[in-house]
Amino acid sequence: DGGITQSPKYLFRKEGQNVTLSCEQNLNHDAMYWYRQDPGQGLRLIYYSQIVNDFQKGDIAEGYSVSREKKESFPLTVTSAQKNPTAFYLCASGRTDTQYFGPGTRLTVL
Amino acid sequence: KNQVEQSPQSLIILEGKNCTLQCNYTVSPFSNLRWYKQDTGRGPVSLTIMTFSENTKSNGRYTATLDADTKQSSLHITASQLSDSASYICVVSVSQNFVFGPGTRLSVLP
Repeated sequence: DGGITQSPKYLFRKEGQNVTLSCEQNLNHDAMYWYRQDPGQGLRLIYYSQIVNDFQKGDIAEGYSVSREKKESFPLTVTSAQKNPTAFYLCASGRTDTQYFGPGTRLTVL
Repeated sequence: KNQVEQSPQSLIILEGKNCTLQCNYTVSPFSNLRWYKQDTGRGPVSLTIMTFSENTKSNGRYTATLDADTKQSSLHITASQLSDSASYICVVSVSQNFVFGPGTRLSVLP
């Protein structure tokens, strides 16, 4: 069953904690992306990776970190430096001009 | 500045009625334009994709149009169903980057 999976679906974090969101794809896509979605706003790009062992900052990278050690995996860590992390996080993968999205992870800071 | 605007911000219609959502963009160079449907708490799912040379594309009850001269696109939904209640996002591809509109929230009432 091909596609993109994200886990967990819901995540709760205490202030000051780092948390890692998982994103896996078996579509053999080179490019992977992380977006943040807040109510009433468009998706904002956090980080993207065009190839293994390489990634670039997006528009709102502060307080986030990523790694791309395998083509299939692109985990996102939300660090304690991110002051307002409560949001819906979407991972996507794609080829040159198309993207496919995962089901999302809703992160809530307690 | 590359930008995608959508209107209206939200829309309420009765089941069975038609509606049209608008997307205006100031993106260059244009690669393609895609409409996504996003159910609440889920990842976006692609409805249609159009390149520069295409001016209409259908997917069941969804029909997208593109006017590359005026940089406008519309998504027409025919005979709406309750399951059409969702956010509809317009995304313009620029090389290997993507510019997202804020979305239109559609509510279909019985």
